Amino acid sequence: AQSVTQLGSHVSVSEGALVLLRCNYSSSVPPYLFWYVQYPNQGLQLLLKYTTGATLVKGINGFEAEFKKSETSFHLTKPSAHMSDAAEYFCAVSENQAGTALIFGKGTTLSVSS
Amino acid sequence: GAVVSQHPSRVICKSGTSVKIECRSLDFQATTMFWYRQFPKQSLMLMATSNEGSKATYEQGVEKDKFLINHASLTLSTLTVTSAHPEDSSFYICSARDPRGDQPQHFGDGTRLSIL
Repeated sequence: AQSVTQLGSHVSVSEGALVLLRCNYSSSVPPYLFWYVQYPNQGLQLLLKYTTGATLVKGINGFEAEFKKSETSFHLTKPSAHMSDAAEYFCAVSENQAGTALIFGKGTTLSVSS
Repeated sequence: GAVVSQHPSRVICKSGTSVKIECRSLDFQATTMFWYRQFPKQSLMLMATSNEGSKATYEQGVEKDKFLINHASLTLSTLTVTSAHPEDSSFYICSARDPRGDQPQHFGDGTRLSIL
């Protein structure tokens, strides 16, 4: 069975500050890991994903995440927050890329203040 | 642009009404689609996996007779909430798997269902 834990349901940062959203996973098989962003009343947009290979993954909008197997973590970071980054962020795990439904964490709301 | 279209985006109806939500893949054939439910400030919960030409696979605790799923074509899956009640009010999101691409799923923009 797979599961995802997102530490911190709400993170607040100032514009220009570092963004760090935490995600830990549990999986009995090598995981595929994803970060999605959701704006109000919208669906999910993929930020980045880890499948195999390089453990530091770069995504859209300046976000990146590092897969650390020893820590079972896949934390999302961005060096400098923008106001437009304010949204809900979901970490998700899948057993494979072929179509198995994603298991989502509970989400983290990111607030950015000026 | 959007590759998965979900309609309607919002619906408000009376208790006892049946509501149909459509999920279309716009430029690919989706053999598999997924339906999720999201409560306010919570995560997405998978309700069912919809496979074209066969019966949907429901997650534990999801009532099959309450949430009817039809995937009659490679580009369309529908979710019908039958005899809806206020407790069915939620945000419903579909997704579709593009077998050609490297993303596992493309998501629709969701449907806000409010039952009065």
